Amino acid sequence: QSALTQPPSASGSPGQSVTISCTGTSSDVGGYNYVSWYQQHPGKAPKVMIYEVSKRPSGVPDRFSGSKSGNTASLTVSGLQAEDEADYYCSSYAGSNFVVFGGGTELTVL
Amino acid sequence: EVQLVESGGGLVQPGGCLRLSCAASGFPYSYYAMYWVRRAPGKGLEFVSAISDNGGSTHYANSVKGRFTISRDNSEKTLYLQMGSLRTEDMAVYYCAAGSTGGIDYWGQGTLVTVSS
Repeated sequence: QSALTQPPSASGSPGQSVTISCTGTSSDVGGYNYVSWYQQHPGKAPKVMIYEVSKRPSGVPDRFSGSKSGNTASLTVSGLQAEDEADYYCSSYAGSNFVVFGGGTELTVL
Repeated sequence: EVQLVESGGGLVQPGGCLRLSCAASGFPYSYYAMYWVRRAPGKGLEFVSAISDNGGSTHYANSVKGRFTISRDNSEKTLYLQMGSLRTEDMAVYYCAAGSTGGIDYWGQGTLVTVSS
């Protein structure tokens, strides 16, 4: 039950793009197209930003996009805005109702 | 409007027990797998437990296996987590979550569990 691997931190200036990676194995990220990304601001509940690798829920800006290659998924935030500063987590289905999470990435908007 | 409202958190001594509840509304509860996910101070999100839509299948993180029990009542649209033999490392905000497509679609606001003597 190893967590997915994310960089602990990422940063970018307003208007720039930043990409956060999420590396797993063939038993989770590589084995299913069920990777999700969540945004969590301090003291708040997580919010779904991306599901099924690249789909955006209604209301999520199209500045947020997701992709996957092999065992690594990525979240790209384009046109960074101050309100994007938050913790971001990836998750992947790993079979049998089991979801594994990444360790989280703290995104700083410089 | 989708709502997941957790309750039951609080202060408990090491070795003690606590039962968390999560009341769901605004979505077809009985068609969703349900999860408990926690975030300990200074750490990231951690999967705790999951239960299938009909309650027939459950899954636990190794860290809680044998100590925690997840259950659900589809008639009452309520999810439970019975926690026993609590340890200081179980101290966290516990989130109730619902998912239908291999991930989590909805999150509750969380309930704080403090384990301390």
